[in-house]
Amino acid sequence: SSELTQDPAVSVALGQTVRITCQGDSLRSYYASWYQQKPGQAPVLVIYGYNNRPSGIPDRFSGSSSGNTASLTITGAQAEDEADYYCNSRDSSANHYVFGTGTKVTVL
Amino acid sequence: QLQVQESGPGLVKPSETLSLTCTVSGGSISSSSYYWGWIRQPPGKGLEWIGSISYSGSTYYNSSLKSRITISVDTSKNQFSLKLSSVTAADTAVYYCARHSRDRLRGDAFDIWGQGTMVTVSS
Repeated sequence: SSELTQDPAVSVALGQTVRITCQGDSLRSYYASWYQQKPGQAPVLVIYGYNNRPSGIPDRFSGSSSGNTASLTITGAQAEDEADYYCNSRDSSANHYVFGTGTKVTVL
Repeated sequence: QLQVQESGPGLVKPSETLSLTCTVSGGSISSSSYYWGWIRQPPGKGLEWIGSISYSGSTYYNSSLKSRITISVDTSKNQFSLKLSSVTAADTAVYYCARHSRDRLRGDAFDIWGQGTMVTVSS
């Protein structure tokens, strides 16, 4: 399968922890990367590979993976973390990429 | 620091060809460590990878769009381009260009994105 499935929406209380999941067969073979997108803005890379954060991304963002599921965890969510989050990985062909369906995170 | 910027017409007629260019500044497109990709996002919808190209011209295309896509690179201008033929209203989207790594050991990552350009297909 070349699909990556995410829950459409999750909510989290300010300061609490939220985990966003991404499921797909290709995740058994390839790492996922994660992107944050706020309204009207381009996506921003937040996690890639084995829990790697680009410079400038807060350490409250972390990634993990098990079997066919990759996860992005926000520990101590802040109001500015409210956004859409997309996972991405190669598909089973190894040459193509696929984005997840996206998860809207609301911080209450 | 390296930046990428999309340019091209904001309005394309149905059945015509959409043409966009991405200009790389603050660095060279001729890096063996990176690929250069196009991603689009229809209004209110999710991200869709269109295709990618290396500085040497190796291309990978989304299977669902492959028959209509051409991605090319011009290292002398530090640019890469997208052509999408026979467009319909379904091709209306924000189109992004981005740099990405291809490293199975460390993980692939689309790390630098342009601001995006809205392309509307309408007569």
